[in-house]
Amino acid sequence: DAMVIQNPRYQVTQFGKPVTLSCSQTLNHNVMYWYQQKSSQAPKLLFHYYDKDFNNEADTPDNFQSRRPNTSFCFLDIRSPGLGDAAMYLCATSRATGSTGELFFGEGSRLTVL
Amino acid sequence: AQSVAQPEDQVNVAEGNPLTVKCTYSVSGNPYLFWYVQYPNRGLQFLLKYITGDNLVKGSYGFEAEFNKSQTSFHLKKPSALVSDSALYFCAVRDGNTGFQKLVFGTGTRLLVSP
Repeated sequence: DAMVIQNPRYQVTQFGKPVTLSCSQTLNHNVMYWYQQKSSQAPKLLFHYYDKDFNNEADTPDNFQSRRPNTSFCFLDIRSPGLGDAAMYLCATSRATGSTGELFFGEGSRLTVL
Repeated sequence: AQSVAQPEDQVNVAEGNPLTVKCTYSVSGNPYLFWYVQYPNRGLQFLLKYITGDNLVKGSYGFEAEFNKSQTSFHLKKPSALVSDSALYFCAVRDGNTGFQKLVFGTGTRLLVSP
């Protein structure tokens, strides 16, 4: 049973055309994360939500935004994708307290920018 | 601040042979250590974790890892490799002494198991 679901699995967009990636979870975890992963490198944290509190990493470009309308859903918006934004985008969840901090990942959304 | 080092970009092993993927860490408090595996075009899958207790941790797919506090290491091992183990492996750490802490990932090690 899938617990962290990402859609779409593959997204093709044109240079500068906005794109939204979605993530949903059935784990009722209060923390949700978005990572960017390029070419089999380590996942790079873009931001995370601790409940409704948004936490941006210092080096995340302004081009990347996120929304979390409720506990179950989180969205990644790329306002004007550039060629350098082509990557795998990974959503993950965790419990903030009372846990060991283990992350549960979705299958990822691979973004291609033409 | 915590950090993780995976000194090998790639590990090659023949099927049936034992494998080791190395990981060393740095953390100021108690280390919570994790191994994840990633297959092509997939998300990261949890393999195992060390929080406390027995230094030898057993996980999914026959993998195990040994926590060594004096060497600050958490190497991933498997007694007999399978071709299907070929994947990208990530070690991660967080400080267990504090409240909410983000996981810090290593740079990953590609494991290639030849038939």
